[in-house]
Amino acid sequence: DTVLTQSPALAVSPGERVTISCRASESVSTGMHWYQQKPGQQPKLLIYGASNLESGVPARFSGSGSGTDFTLTIDPVEADDTATYFCQQSWNELTFGSGTKLEIK
Amino acid sequence: QVQLQQSGTELVKPASSVKISCKASGYTFTSNYMHWIRQQPGNGLEWIGWIYPGNGNTKYNQKFDGKATLTADKSSSTAYMQLSSLTSEDSAVYFCARSGLQWPPGYFDFWGPGTMVTVSS
Repeated sequence: DTVLTQSPALAVSPGERVTISCRASESVSTGMHWYQQKPGQQPKLLIYGASNLESGVPARFSGSGSGTDFTLTIDPVEADDTATYFCQQSWNELTFGSGTKLEIK
Repeated sequence: QVQLQQSGTELVKPASSVKISCKASGYTFTSNYMHWIRQQPGNGLEWIGWIYPGNGNTKYNQKFDGKATLTADKSSSTAYMQLSSLTSEDSAVYFCARSGLQWPPGYFDFWGPGTMVTVSS
């Protein structure tokens, strides 16, 4: 299985720029997608195909990367962005990262 | 608008089975893959498998082969997942999620709210 590694947690202040990283154990080309999950809710798709913004998602969110290293950027971050962010790859079966919990100070 | 409505919380006994449902609306049920995803308490997400309701084809994560059985009823636009031989390890929230029209199925653009399954005697 392709293992996706994410940092467990980040804390930033409103208005700052935050980058959340995801590293794959092998190349996944651009088959990387990002989700936001708030407590008690289902995940919500933010970015698909590494860099494509899902319809209805604010342009503050962006994605980049290819191969094994990927980044989700939120700029500027808002208080409502408090959530856990998961990466997911679809190049080699379907696997998820363990999630990065984002706290807004 | 696309909606996925899941069945309610289940409390089941060890060694038993449970069948949970996911009723789709707002799109052509037979045109998209339907996936099931597990989230154990405090843990991340695990893909269980998909079903293509158009022809009933399924694919499972090897880890869940024999544990989960996916079916779909086109007449009611409802997908089902049966979990068998339940243990405490199967206690989790189970989501259904739709993927787009691309092949192979890639990302999940709509998710159900989740069904909590608790396995306890």
